[in-house]
Amino acid sequence: ETGVTQSPTHLIKTRGQQVTLRCSSQSGHNTVSWYQQALGQGPQFIFQYYREEENGRGNFPPRFSGLQFPNYSSELNVNALELDDSALYLCASKKGPGNTEAFFGQGTRLTVV
Amino acid sequence: LAKTTQPISMDSYEGQEVNITCSHNNIATNDYITWYQQFPSQGPRFIIQGYKTKVTNEVASLFIPADRKSSTLSLPRVSLSDTAVYYCLVGDNYGGSQGNLIFGKGTKLSVKP
Repeated sequence: ETGVTQSPTHLIKTRGQQVTLRCSSQSGHNTVSWYQQALGQGPQFIFQYYREEENGRGNFPPRFSGLQFPNYSSELNVNALELDDSALYLCASKKGPGNTEAFFGQGTRLTVV
Repeated sequence: LAKTTQPISMDSYEGQEVNITCSHNNIATNDYITWYQQFPSQGPRFIIQGYKTKVTNEVASLFIPADRKSSTLSLPRVSLSDTAVYYCLVGDNYGGSQGNLIFGKGTKLSVKP
């Protein structure tokens, strides 16, 4: 148990729709990162939020966006869903933005049909 | 791109010691070496982190030679429950970078009875 919770655990959406995934960070952590993991691949960094501001972004298009709230929980929003967006989406919380010890949630399995 | 290279897969038997080696030829002066473990359909879990020489905790040992261009994760007396994917990462553990984790494909360890 890492104390990081994600919801929902599974989700099925239709191509073109929009989706919002949620993450509650571990107590005492002010940084949240989001990762996309396709089957058989390692997690790929989407972006990171620190004190409600995005402070790092991977190679993902603008239709991937996020928010961090004052309690450090976070949302990942994906617009105009594509079939290739089907993946496990992981949230990780950290004590600080430069820290490499991250605590991951169980993930949200998104299927786009 | 991941800055590390590790074997795609390894097989072992229960009770054996397993050593997984990771190459990181371009490691930077400030980079730490971090290992994560991931079970199917779960988020990665932090195992161990080190900068040089040897680090040991209740789960594993990490050996880092003087040139730091490689590292070896050692799992003593593995059991079936150690079957997982193991990721080697390098990165700055201080505020000098965004601290986003760059995962490769990892090493899939299969432990047999």
